[in-house]
Amino acid sequence: QSALTQPRSVSGSPGQSVTISCTGTSSDVGSYEYVSWYQQYPGEVPKLIIYDVNKWPSGVPDRFSGSKSGNTASLTISGLQAEDEADYYCCSFAGTNFWLFGGGTKLTVL
Amino acid sequence: EVQLVESGGGLVKPGGSLRLSCVGSGFTFSEAWMAWVRQAPGKGPEWLGRFRGRSAGGTIDYAAAVKGRFIISRDDSRNRVYLQMNSLEIEDTAVYYCCNPTGNFFDYWGQGTLVTVSS
Repeated sequence: QSALTQPRSVSGSPGQSVTISCTGTSSDVGSYEYVSWYQQYPGEVPKLIIYDVNKWPSGVPDRFSGSKSGNTASLTISGLQAEDEADYYCCSFAGTNFWLFGGGTKLTVL
Repeated sequence: EVQLVESGGGLVKPGGSLRLSCVGSGFTFSEAWMAWVRQAPGKGPEWLGRFRGRSAGGTIDYAAAVKGRFIISRDDSRNRVYLQMNSLEIEDTAVYYCCNPTGNFFDYWGQGTLVTVSS
């Protein structure tokens, strides 16, 4: 199975909102409510920021929100801050005990 | 506090083998589901496989890309999970992470260990 499809890059100014899409298929994103999102700074470990499509782990600000429609999941970051500049990855359960990640989106805060 | 520490990475020639180790603490290791995820330079993470906890049957699932070449095992007496990698290819060059997923997501990650496959 191919990786989930994300835009290579997105950008926004401080205070704005940006949305990162994650497109899969009816066999993964479209079939399960198990989409998660990860934030990764250069040289660091990925950090879980959204799980089960739209839930927050403890300590993650609610400026980060997740949603899903059909085969596409989305991560929205509102009130953009300089510290949000990082790489973002989506992940979906794909059935038969298998997980798929996206190729990643680099967020630039202008 | 959950802690995961990987070791065993390094430089290996194509066709070679390597065994990675991950020691966990801060949770009941024998009941934990443990997974291996890798990330090639400049790429997204890739799920490799996972070991269910004891009460869930202790079975192992593998990604199709590595099934037959990679073997996951665990030693609950030592709080360790292992990734045996055989017939390594240049494309296996990556940072390898062990994870302790507490649901259908990856909430706890080790710091990773770098594997470089090169002649």
